[in-house]
Amino acid sequence: DQQVKQNSPSLSVQEGRISILNCDYTNSMFDYFLWYKKYPAEGPTFLISISSIKDKNEDGRFTVFLNKSAKHLSLHIVPSQPGDSAVYFCAASNSRSSGSARQLTFGSGTQLTVLP
Amino acid sequence: NAGVTQTPKFRVLKTGQSMTLLCAQDMNHEYMYWYRQDPGMGLRLIHYSVGEGTTAKGEVPDGYNVSRLKKQNFLLGLESAAPSQTSVYFCASSRLGGTGELFFGEGSRLTVL
Repeated sequence: DQQVKQNSPSLSVQEGRISILNCDYTNSMFDYFLWYKKYPAEGPTFLISISSIKDKNEDGRFTVFLNKSAKHLSLHIVPSQPGDSAVYFCAASNSRSSGSARQLTFGSGTQLTVLP
Repeated sequence: NAGVTQTPKFRVLKTGQSMTLLCAQDMNHEYMYWYRQDPGMGLRLIHYSVGEGTTAKGEVPDGYNVSRLKKQNFLLGLESAAPSQTSVYFCASSRLGGTGELFFGEGSRLTVL
């Protein structure tokens, strides 16, 4: 049973428009959420995160929104650029169960393609 | 600025063979992890380590062993490879007291025939 789900395997967006990537989770004990970006033949790289005490975190063109009641988070990229084309993974952790070593539970990823 | 380095990058094994994947990090991180990535499954944690000389099981530990003899190195071993272990393996590290930001290596693609 996947505790973190990304139901859209792929998303195509025109350059300059907004990209919205979605993620749902089932474990109410998760208290920290992260987004990673992955290019082909490279490892994932950290993009942005949000604590469960917040509902929004912004970093430049990237904004993550958290809706705890719906157990849903989303990543907004505005404006989208061709270089943003990559696989985006949502991840979650529960600090109380994993202690100081954060064990992340990942979603299956969404392939974003930004069309020029 | 090497970060996290994995060797080898590619390997083909026959069923029943053994091998070791090496991960090295130069960021003085306390925590190290091994994940595997399979299509439609995301990344799943195999084993992790909270410090030199320690290891712990993750979500999918069966068929793998690990060792952390030095702080900067984390080894993943397959004693008797099976086709189900065909995957891309990622090593990652994170610092003490961090909030979950992991630094990943480039991955090692393993095929078991």
